[in-house]
Amino acid sequence: IAGITQAPTSQILAAGRRMTLRCTQDMRHNAMYWYRQDLGLGLRLIHYSNTAGTTGKGEVPDGYSVSRANTDDFPLTLASAVPSQTSVYFCASSESSGGSNEQFFGPGTRLTVL
Amino acid sequence: GQQVMQIPQYQHVQEGEDFTTYCNSSTTLSNIQWYKQRPGGHPVFLIQLVKSGEVKKQKRLTFQFGEAKKNSSLHITATQTTDVGTYFCAGWGYSGAGSYQLTFGKGTKLSVIP
Repeated sequence: IAGITQAPTSQILAAGRRMTLRCTQDMRHNAMYWYRQDLGLGLRLIHYSNTAGTTGKGEVPDGYSVSRANTDDFPLTLASAVPSQTSVYFCASSESSGGSNEQFFGPGTRLTVL
Repeated sequence: GQQVMQIPQYQHVQEGEDFTTYCNSSTTLSNIQWYKQRPGGHPVFLIQLVKSGEVKKQKRLTFQFGEAKKNSSLHITATQTTDVGTYFCAGWGYSGAGSYQLTFGKGTKLSVIP
């Protein structure tokens, strides 16, 4: 693989169910991010990780959790999905957390919560 | 916290016409990045501007960073159908509580009529 992969590509989920979105990068980037994209609202940061073992909250963290056990993987978990979490989720990474670094995005996961 | 506003939200142009999208920040930025997202795709980094008053060109695309480092613009000359997509600016600046972050604008969706 090269770059960032996300799984699944799409998912339909019943409200109340637990769901983990997977993200893996092979660029050895230190920083990783999760965004959600909703029509008219652009990209909103959910959680981020500046380096393995650390995580932080973004603009819209409620209802989501993340972990960063190693450099490559950054899963996003919805503990109990609600319809308002219907969105397209993008994982991204950058070489470091500094502002001069471009972010590389994965292909996204389209999640529908019914 | 830091806010990044982008206008217009939508723009429809005839092929061959010019297009401009504007980005304004509520705070002074360290740098600004621009991304393009094709329909159904993921955001892809285009460029980064760092210096006050900086102007950069990529073929038909011209990027400017304002003198006060609070605004930026992307201008496309003689649009082509390949320019279709959503253009996002993202500003790196102080977000409060001693932290910096990259904040995305809501994007401008460009449609090109052949």
